[in-house]
Amino acid sequence: QVLLVESGGTLVRPGGSLRLSCATAGFTFSDYYMTWIRQAPGKGLEWVSYISSSGDFIYYADSVKGRFTISRDNAINSLFLRMNSLRAEDTAVYYCARRIVTIRGVGKAVYFDYWGQGTPVTVAS
Amino acid sequence: QSVLTQPPSVSAAPGQKVTISCSGSSSNIGKNYVSWYQQFPGTAPKLLIYENNKRPSGIPDRFSGSKSGTSATLGITGLQTGDEADYYCGTWDDNLSVFGGGTKLTVL
Repeated sequence: QVLLVESGGTLVRPGGSLRLSCATAGFTFSDYYMTWIRQAPGKGLEWVSYISSSGDFIYYADSVKGRFTISRDNAINSLFLRMNSLRAEDTAVYYCARRIVTIRGVGKAVYFDYWGQGTPVTVAS
Repeated sequence: QSVLTQPPSVSAAPGQKVTISCSGSSSNIGKNYVSWYQQFPGTAPKLLIYENNKRPSGIPDRFSGSKSGTSATLGITGLQTGDEADYYCGTWDDNLSVFGGGTKLTVL
């Protein structure tokens, strides 16, 4: 079955850095776009970044652009998120998810069919 | 402030039907497809509905989705206490994914 397992979340001081990992299994990782989505305590979901199957196309939310870097290693079926210059508002559970895109006519369907269990990141002094 | 607007909470009795609305704009729901996610406390979100009204394998037909114009609706019939959860809508909006703020469903 499809499995996504995040790791790397911890307590870090403001201005610090962290690298999250997402190990996957059960599907052909190199065929899929992947994404990071976060959820601050008691808040809703916020999309963070996505990366194409080959790693050629990458997009970031404005809130993390210039500070976070998404990457992947298709040889080991893993997704990563390098987070620099961390702020208190980056405190959240970070989920990796498999991203599905279908285009029907002029409309696009983008959704996330499998999610990891999440890894908590706390930015505090 | 979420791009998509959902009611913070809805409630209904077991066995009843409930609907959860998701309001957007012409740049997101108005021209793209909507998905819905169910999240229990302390767990990851789970895909419930995709492409406005399709259910992944294993999702009971008590759950349904629809879209009209710039709004979408999740419907749940035959409510069960096990349906108590947070529900999020999501869609695409000009190179980024957007979500609603979430709706907490209480089954009284």
